[in-house]
Amino acid sequence: AQSVTQPDIHITVSEGASLELRCNYSYGATPYLFWYVQSPGQGLQLLLKYFSGDTLVQGIKGFEAEFKRSQSSFNLRKPSVHWSDAAEYFCAVGASTGANNLFFGTGTRLTVIP
Amino acid sequence: GAGVSQSPRYKVAKRGQDVALRCDPISGHVSLFWYQQALGQGPEFLTYFQNEAQLDKSGLPSDRFFAERPEGSVSTLKIQRTQQEDSAVYLCASSHPEITSGPYNEQFFGPGTRLTVL
Repeated sequence: AQSVTQPDIHITVSEGASLELRCNYSYGATPYLFWYVQSPGQGLQLLLKYFSGDTLVQGIKGFEAEFKRSQSSFNLRKPSVHWSDAAEYFCAVGASTGANNLFFGTGTRLTVIP
Repeated sequence: GAGVSQSPRYKVAKRGQDVALRCDPISGHVSLFWYQQALGQGPEFLTYFQNEAQLDKSGLPSDRFFAERPEGSVSTLKIQRTQQEDSAVYLCASSHPEITSGPYNEQFFGPGTRLTVL
């Protein structure tokens, strides 16, 4: 069965600093991987996705993620964080059969300090 | 509309009451998903529709939960005899089979309905 682990519940970074949010997945085949961001009172917004091919994927808002099959990881990175990046970030893996629903991790809350 | 909308945005119910949560997907989107997001958790899949057909309801936690999409557009999630453990944000997402750049159709999420059961 698919599952996603986000080991960091809360991360605090200074504005302008780099960011890496960790995500580990469990899935038997090639996974479909996603990162979503959720701001208070807002719906989930897709940042980026990985299906196949180049293991470094670029997303919106300056985010990127790298798929590492050997580590079962899909970590999200940003070289320089902005105050507006403060939000909850969710990693998800997509079911490859049936409903194609998403399995989400428990999320990482990002706080940005000036 | 421009995005997925949900109503009400907030709902407070007394334990034992029935509630109905509405989702308006993006016009023309064939697939519709409901997720439940408990406090401090990630969203968990509840059920899936393709047009008016409910193809997967494996995530519904009990028979008190019921979802419908009679005309293949608007969907309603109904919870009967609400319990405190039903308190959560209920998210709706829709997708279109042609809006994809790969094997997976992107899901567009609504803002959710926050249900509080007292």
